[in-house]
Order: sequence, then structure tokens, then C-alpha cells
Amino acid sequence: GIQVEQSPPDLILQEGANSTLRCNFSDSVNNLQWFHQNPWGQLINLFYIPSGTKQNGRLSATTVATERYSLLYISSSQTTDSGVYFCAVDQTGANNLFFGTGTRLTVIP
Amino acid sequence: DAGVIQSPRHEVTEMGQEVTLRCKPISGHDYLFWYRQTMMRGLELLIYFNNNVPIDDSGMPEDRFSAKMPNASFSTLKIQPSEPRDSAVYFCASRTSGRYEQYFGPGTRLTVT
Repeated sequence: GIQVEQSPPDLILQEGANSTLRCNFSDSVNNLQWFHQNPWGQLINLFYIPSGTKQNGRLSATTVATERYSLLYISSSQTTDSGVYFCAVDQTGANNLFFGTGTRLTVIP
Repeated sequence: DAGVIQSPRHEVTEMGQEVTLRCKPISGHDYLFWYRQTMMRGLELLIYFNNNVPIDDSGMPEDRFSAKMPNASFSTLKIQPSEPRDSAVYFCASRTSGRYEQYFGPGTRLTVT
């Protein structure tokens, strides 16, 4: 099956710093989503981005499908950005999402 | 708008007991998904429904697990009999046709002793 690798596994930032999270996948995909799991366990959909670039406030994401990777950018980080960020992909359509192991982000004041 | 609703939020039960987890998807969403999250295996898709019909249950771990969706606003995931290795957080998610973003409920934390 498809392999999804996320890096770094852990990241500690000072509030206000910027960061880049990476997701590499081993095969072509037609669905890629980024999620944030907050410290209370809630999973929040950040982006649906099988290709191209999207921005939402301080967050943006870029997927280069031909090179099989996606990047999540967090600018001016805040303590509320803490949690685990997951990349999830699907090769066949929109429903069989396969999740990576995540990047745990801690933002300290 | 209300998001995906799951109940109970926490469940503690003894090995061998039947457990039923409940989910109400976002109104108008015609896809519903059940996931399980553990430290060892991460987030895994168990089963998903489209228009109340189970489409892919290949992720259901074994026959002790069953899921139903009797109508568009309600689904259950049942474990009978439960075992300690079933301890996990179970999430329900939903989406609408034409858009691929999945929206997750708050999860049910299941502990089987």
C-alpha cells in the first residue's frame, strides 16, 4: 500500500515563529488533506489540496503531485496552533483516506 | 450549524460486554465514515457509508465489529464482545458529495478492562 511519511515528527517553536511541515507519499494520489488534531483530540480539516497552493489566514499549503510531496506552512505561530498535524491521502478517490503518523507541534509562549 | 455529533464521549466497559457507539452526521452529508485511533496503529478507516449503504468495510478488524446506518442522520458502531485491545478513540466523520473535505466528530474514547 501507499506510504505516507511526515517530517519532522516533533517540532517545538517559540510563539511568533514560522514553520514548514512536510508530507511525502510513495505513489500518485488524487486526494490529499491536512488535518490538525488539537490537544483535546478534535480533528479539524485544514485543507483539501491534491495539487497547487491554498491559503487560509496564517496557514498555507502546497502540493507538488508530480514530485509526491505536500508542505504545510504556519506563519506567526500561536500557542493555539499546538497539536498534531496529519497529512491524509487517497489513491482511488475521495473516501479511503490513509493517514500519516503526524507532526507534533508545540508552540511555547 | 451543528457539527458531527458522537455519543458517548467516554465509555468504560468490561471485557466481553457489548459496546455501541453512536454518530449523527452533519445534516445533508451523504457520506459517513468510522475511524479508529490508537497509539500503535494511528488513524485507520474502519468502514464508510454512502446514502446509508455500506460501501467499504475492509478496515473492520473482525466479525466482532459491526456498523449500521438505518437512516441519513444516524449510525452505530457495535463491538460484541469487546476485548481490551479494542481500547481506542473512535471517530465518526462525514462529507457531502462534490466536496472531498471530511469533517470529524469529537470522538468516543473507549476503554475495555
